[in-house]
Amino acid sequence: KQEVTQIPAALSVPEGENLVLNCSFTDSAIYNLQWFRQDPGKGLTSLLLIQSSQREQTSGRLNASLDKSSGRSTLYIAASQPGDSATYLCAVKDYKLSFGAGTTVTVRA
Amino acid sequence: NAGVTQTPKFQVLKTGQSMTLQCAQDMNHEYMSWYRQDPGMGLRLIHYSVGAGITDQGEVPNGYNVSRSTTEDFPLRLLSAAPSQTSVYFCASSPGQGYTGELFFGEGSRLTVL
Repeated sequence: KQEVTQIPAALSVPEGENLVLNCSFTDSAIYNLQWFRQDPGKGLTSLLLIQSSQREQTSGRLNASLDKSSGRSTLYIAASQPGDSATYLCAVKDYKLSFGAGTTVTVRA
Repeated sequence: NAGVTQTPKFQVLKTGQSMTLQCAQDMNHEYMSWYRQDPGMGLRLIHYSVGAGITDQGEVPNGYNVSRSTTEDFPLRLLSAAPSQTSVYFCASSPGQGYTGELFFGEGSRLTVL
């Protein structure tokens, strides 16, 4: 059974600092990994999708890497802003989609 | 493009009542799914569909029913609501059979069962 872990559960940083969010998974036989953002009381917004054949994906200030052999993905957010405050979830797709519990980020102005 | 639309956004039910949560997508996605999100439990898959006329169970299907008569719509029915079904429900869709495509979520339906 695929287990997805996100550590830390919460993170607080001053504005301008780079954010590093971690996601680990136990079974490397995956189709893809997706990072989501969830604001309080809202749905999940897709940030980046990395296919199993890819090593990284970039969108603006966001960069996500994937290392299947070690079962890890990292989401980097450059020059954080208060608007980046949210919960970030990763999800791994094998025969089903398994979600991590998320990392709640607070960016202090 | 509206994306994935869920109705209602909020609902309060009494134990034993039935209701249907509606989900519609306008992206012509073959794959649609329902999740529930509970504190400390994360997101759990209830039911999913890989195309019109095809549905299957996820992790927590008991007490829920689905059907897929069109590509666009994937309603979730609660047959006899129980307090344990108090949760936030999300509908999600993806192109293809759901293996490699990006997953798009609705805004959620918040259900309270008294």
